[in-house]
Amino acid sequence: KNEVEQSPQNLTAQEGEFITINCSYSVGISALHWLQQHPGGGIVSLFMLSSGKKKHGRLIATINIQEKHSSLHITASHPRDSAVYICAARPFSGGGADGLTFGKGTHLIIQP
Amino acid sequence: GAGVSQSPSNKVTEKGKDVELRCDPISGHTALYWYRQSLGQGLEFLIYFQGNSAPDKSGLPSDRFSAERTGGSVSTLTIQRTQQEDSAVYLCASSLRPGSGRSNEQFFGPGTRLTVL
Repeated sequence: KNEVEQSPQNLTAQEGEFITINCSYSVGISALHWLQQHPGGGIVSLFMLSSGKKKHGRLIATINIQEKHSSLHITASHPRDSAVYICAARPFSGGGADGLTFGKGTHLIIQP
Repeated sequence: GAGVSQSPSNKVTEKGKDVELRCDPISGHTALYWYRQSLGQGLEFLIYFQGNSAPDKSGLPSDRFSAERTGGSVSTLTIQRTQQEDSAVYLCASSLRPGSGRSNEQFFGPGTRLTVL
């Protein structure tokens, strides 16, 4: 069974700071998702990646398959980035187990 | 539709009653997933459909939980004889198809908040 660990669980930072959220997993995966959930809101998929690095605006996600580790970075953070960020690992398909395994989430608060 | 939709958005029921939760995936998406987000438990996988069949039911917490999908589209998650511990947000997601690559990206619905009194 895949274990997905995120750190930190809670993070409070000042507007403009560079933010890093880490995710590690225990078994091989086919892809890793970074999700964002605002209070009372639904879940939005930010990234799905299986190797290397992806960038969308101020968000950057990296993954190291050998080390079973991924990071989500936010540059020039803003209060509207305040949300819960969730890492989710997707197993290799074909075995029937295609559901995601989720980390517990990182609760990020960006103060003005 | 433009995205995954779920209904109802909120459901309050009494312990022991049965409930049905509905998910409408994005048109053309063959893969459909049900997840549950309980307070303090995080998100957990319940069941996955490829077309109308469910190759992975490993996450269903008990035999009170069942799900079906008809016509390769709408899915219904049924919880029989609800218990207070079933209170959670039930999320549905769909993807174009399973497998690796961009086609597997999952798009989430807004969820159904179930409260069992």
